[in-house]
Amino acid sequence: GAGVSQSPRYKVAKRGQDVALRCDPISGHVSLFWYQQALGQGPEFLTYFQNEAQLDKSGLPSDRFFAERPEGSVSTLKIQRTQQEDSAVYLCASSLSVGDRGRRDGYTFGSGTRLTVV
Amino acid sequence: AQSVAQPEDQVNVAEGNPLTVKCTYSVSGNPYLFWYVQYPNRGLQFLLKYITGDNLVKGSYGFEAEFNKSQTSFHLKKPSALVSDSALYFCAVRDTQAGTALIFGKGTTLSVSS
Repeated sequence: GAGVSQSPRYKVAKRGQDVALRCDPISGHVSLFWYQQALGQGPEFLTYFQNEAQLDKSGLPSDRFFAERPEGSVSTLKIQRTQQEDSAVYLCASSLSVGDRGRRDGYTFGSGTRLTVV
Repeated sequence: AQSVAQPEDQVNVAEGNPLTVKCTYSVSGNPYLFWYVQYPNRGLQFLLKYITGDNLVKGSYGFEAEFNKSQTSFHLKKPSALVSDSALYFCAVRDTQAGTALIFGKGTTLSVSS
């Protein structure tokens, strides 16, 4: 597709439920990022993939958060045993290359998944 | 540690007037600097970025930003604001010595009145 696609657009989960959020990056994009954006805050980095390799997961807040990108394209962010503090917008971004030196544009973001834990 | 500060939660300007949205940063290495805009219920849209070279960067929709290394700033500017510029603006930095992730500021809400 022309852009980064995320699904579902909205998700309401009961506390303790597991959820899976999907990201379809732009075809051919090597780099993929997940961010968490709490209400009224800027996006905070969660994890980074280069193709299928998860090179940085330093931003994942707990071991309840898990991300994968098994074939180097679609990625899934899974949250186990959701808690109210997990309520946020989860943004996915992709980039054609590892480095962005010389490229006109920055990372391309999806519209996000708004997760509400009740 | 890398960080970004946007000291103003909100900036109010009248249509037709110049606007400035402030951003300062802190990194260990050389910075790549970005501005993104976010409209309600939308993802982040790229405006411009600085990597190297000319300190004045021109971007989308008439926006520009000036990289000032001595002041560690990257303020966003536009000579004449439009009502349609009203949105949430984020400054972000990537520390070239600390990986590929962007670190974002908390955002500044720009409100342009007619």
